Amino acid sequence: DADVTQTPRNRITKTGKRIMLECSQTKGHDRMYWYRQDPGLGLQLIYYSFDVKDINKGEISDGYSVSRQAQAKFSLSLESAIPNQTALYFCATSAGQGNDEQFFGPGTRLTVL
Amino acid sequence: AQTVTQSQPEMSVQEAETVTLSCTYDTSESNYYLFWYKQPPSRQMILVIRQEAYKQQNATENRFSVNFQKAAKSFSLKISDSQLGDTAMYFCAIHTGNQFYFGTGTSLTVIP
Repeated sequence: DADVTQTPRNRITKTGKRIMLECSQTKGHDRMYWYRQDPGLGLQLIYYSFDVKDINKGEISDGYSVSRQAQAKFSLSLESAIPNQTALYFCATSAGQGNDEQFFGPGTRLTVL
Repeated sequence: AQTVTQSQPEMSVQEAETVTLSCTYDTSESNYYLFWYKQPPSRQMILVIRQEAYKQQNATENRFSVNFQKAAKSFSLKISDSQLGDTAMYFCAIHTGNQFYFGTGTSLTVIP
């Protein structure tokens, strides 16, 4: 089984709809992240969390919110989706030490019509 | 603020040849770590290689090696004996403070 899972893998929705993307991990890591990937822009950080009671905004948090329900679960919500939120979304985890890599989920392809 | 620049949006290489992907970064932090990630068409992000900034020796992982020039803030990736499976998007990243910062990526195509 994959260490970091994301649901759904693909989603098409309409403008104004509320969408939740879910992420679960079995790595036992405290740190979890949500990124957005757009062509030509690389990965941009939306939110990150270092434990259940810790939530931090990244560089592009406007229009998004998150919930850290447990150490293993970190959800991203779009309260009212808009077309420019069409992108590939990644969840990632890390153990927190400097040279520790991030482990990524398989990504969610979100299309907002 | 931290920035990571990958100036080559697309590159190609013949199978079995060697290719070098460029990455430069900017940070005011003295303690940081550098990474190269690979994203094949499956879109899964996979770690290729990592380098601790305090280490002078360049990291090597099988066919992958880096040329780390700390003073120039350069961190290039060399792929030797390129294989078709190396076709992917490659991202350079820096980890400093509490965050990872990624470049915009280089799309590499290995030509048979």
